[in-house]
Amino acid sequence: RKEVEQDPGPFNVPEGATVAFNCTYSNSASQSFFWYRQDCRKEPKLLMSVYSSGNEDGRFTAQLNRASQYISLLIRDSKLSDSATYLCVVYPGGGSTLGRLYFGRGTQLTVWP
Amino acid sequence: DVKVTQSSRYLVKRTGEKVFLECVQDMDHENMFWYRQDPGLGLRLIYFSYDVKMKEKGDIPEGYSVSREKKERFSLILESASTNQTSMYLCASSLGWGQGAVQPQHFGDGTRLSIL
Repeated sequence: RKEVEQDPGPFNVPEGATVAFNCTYSNSASQSFFWYRQDCRKEPKLLMSVYSSGNEDGRFTAQLNRASQYISLLIRDSKLSDSATYLCVVYPGGGSTLGRLYFGRGTQLTVWP
Repeated sequence: DVKVTQSSRYLVKRTGEKVFLECVQDMDHENMFWYRQDPGLGLRLIYFSYDVKMKEKGDIPEGYSVSREKKERFSLILESASTNQTSMYLCASSLGWGQGAVQPQHFGDGTRLSIL
């Protein structure tokens, strides 16, 4: 079973729409969570960390549900510039993982005018 | 801002050549990572290092080796390049972990490697 699973999409939404992505993780002891954004033919960049209490950064809201082992990313008032692939990232913890992160394959979002 | 620099954006090599990909970070990070990314397969970890001269295999180490002689530099070596190693290679670095948490990774621009 993969550590991190995401719906690959694509999600195609009009400007101004609200869109949400979910991501599930397999290790219930996972300790750190992130969302990354990757533009076409570019490197992944950190979008936001995900905290237990949920957190918001402008139009972006991230939430963690430990009971169901998923994290979510909500984008409000979508902009054309939000078009990208969004990667869910999990740190399972434990000494054997030595700080490595596990990346989902990404969810592709296209925002159209 | 963290700066992770990869030596080449684009590289073309021939089958059987020994290929070196270099990565340098300027933030005194303990951890460094090498990934490859292929369409539909996502990021796959090749090797990582959590200290100078230390290395750990990732999920797909076959055909690769690494070197970390200095804290800021992490090199990926393709011992004898093959066409199935044509890919985008991404280097990343992060601070060491502790207290059960981990810091996010910061990526370089990537190297698009073609093996002919």
